[in-house]
Amino acid sequence: GAVVSQHPSWVICKSGTSVKIECRSLDFQATTMFWYRQFPKQSLMLMATSNEGSKATYEQGVEKDKFLINHASLTLSTLTVTSAHPEDSSFYICSAEKGNSPLHFGNGTRLTVT
Amino acid sequence: GDSVTQMEGPVTLSEEAFLTINCTYTATGYPSLFWYVQYPGEGLQLLLKATKADDKGSNKGFEATYRKETTSFHLEKGSVQVSDSAVYFCALRGTPGNQFYFGTGTSLTVIP
Repeated sequence: GAVVSQHPSWVICKSGTSVKIECRSLDFQATTMFWYRQFPKQSLMLMATSNEGSKATYEQGVEKDKFLINHASLTLSTLTVTSAHPEDSSFYICSAEKGNSPLHFGNGTRLTVT
Repeated sequence: GDSVTQMEGPVTLSEEAFLTINCTYTATGYPSLFWYVQYPGEGLQLLLKATKADDKGSNKGFEATYRKETTSFHLEKGSVQVSDSAVYFCALRGTPGNQFYFGTGTSLTVIP
């Protein structure tokens, strides 16, 4: 079945640094990729929708300059958390879809900012 | 707008007990409905889906029936196992290409 690979699975960084998270669709070309943030024991909050070759569409309240999304190809989207602060610590999950198929999720990235 | 309301947890059951996790939705038109499962420290995996009224999705002993009259998509399993311990998310998608709407998730713990 379709597989989405997310890397890294966990990262610890110092406050003020930037972190890049990669999301790859391994066996299909993803027309759209989504980035979610999940707080402990809560549901997924959609951050942005990313289409290959175009600018990402951010949800209300999500800072586009802080959470940079690049969707350079049909198999790769990246999320960069710029100038990370402790409040950015969270579980970030990407998902990808092809056509009208259900979403396929990556395994998530646990970001801890110290 | 579209939304999903999901039974709050946590739910704790003994092994082989019957499971029901309630999910109701609000949507215009005819959405597709999904159940996703999240194991600790992992992303979400599609458990089952239904794309039209009266469809029954099933997988790994779990079932859910798309009930348009009650706008519900309750998840059931006749006999849970310890390995079913996870967080379960109900979700809908109103229109292809549009975003998914997720419920708040229900944590299930199955004890031996």
